[in-house]
Amino acid sequence: GQNIDQPTEMTATEGAIVQINCTYQTSGFNGLFWYQQHAGEAPTFLSYNVLDGLEEKGRFSSFLSRSKGYSYLLLKELQMKDSASYLCAVGDSNYQLIWGAGTKLIIKP
Amino acid sequence: DGGITQSPKYLFRKEGQNVTLSCEQNLNHDAMYWYRQDPGQGLRLIYYSQIVNDFQKGDIAEGYSVSREKKESFPLTVTSAQKNPTAFYLCASSTRGELYNEQFFGPGTRLTVL
Repeated sequence: GQNIDQPTEMTATEGAIVQINCTYQTSGFNGLFWYQQHAGEAPTFLSYNVLDGLEEKGRFSSFLSRSKGYSYLLLKELQMKDSASYLCAVGDSNYQLIWGAGTKLIIKP
Repeated sequence: DGGITQSPKYLFRKEGQNVTLSCEQNLNHDAMYWYRQDPGQGLRLIYYSQIVNDFQKGDIAEGYSVSREKKESFPLTVTSAQKNPTAFYLCASSTRGELYNEQFFGPGTRLTVL
């Protein structure tokens, strides 16, 4: 079967760094996406990884290891506005996205 | 501006009534999707369409129906057969059959059954 695992909830402090992990088992692999979703709003695209390694985009970075079926999203210099859910999604062999349940990130002052 | 629109943003219906949620995109995307999201949960796929006049059931299609008569439009009908329809409904679109298949989302419709 296809499965994507993420922690349900994480808490971090404003200004700190947090790493959100995602492990996956899917039929085929056509890239891994991270999305951010604020409560009551639509998900918005953060990052895409298809090759192993680290992709950096401002305060956000995403890492992929295809051999381990593992990715993480790293958020630096946390701000209160980063309080949101972070969704991991993997493109399968049919180019469909398989979604994780999301990680709710709570930022404390 | 290119994007996806969903209407209405909030919808209330009585039990036993069918209701149709609108989704329109002007991104020239072939593929369109309907997801359901319940509080504290991830996205669950209801239906998807990769091309006009064709659509496929997702993981939770029971009690829902769709049509894809035009490339730009993919309306979802929540029928009275859906046991627990109160949820947040998201429509998305993407290119088809490509490695990079980022999905773009509409603002969502929150449906409440009274």
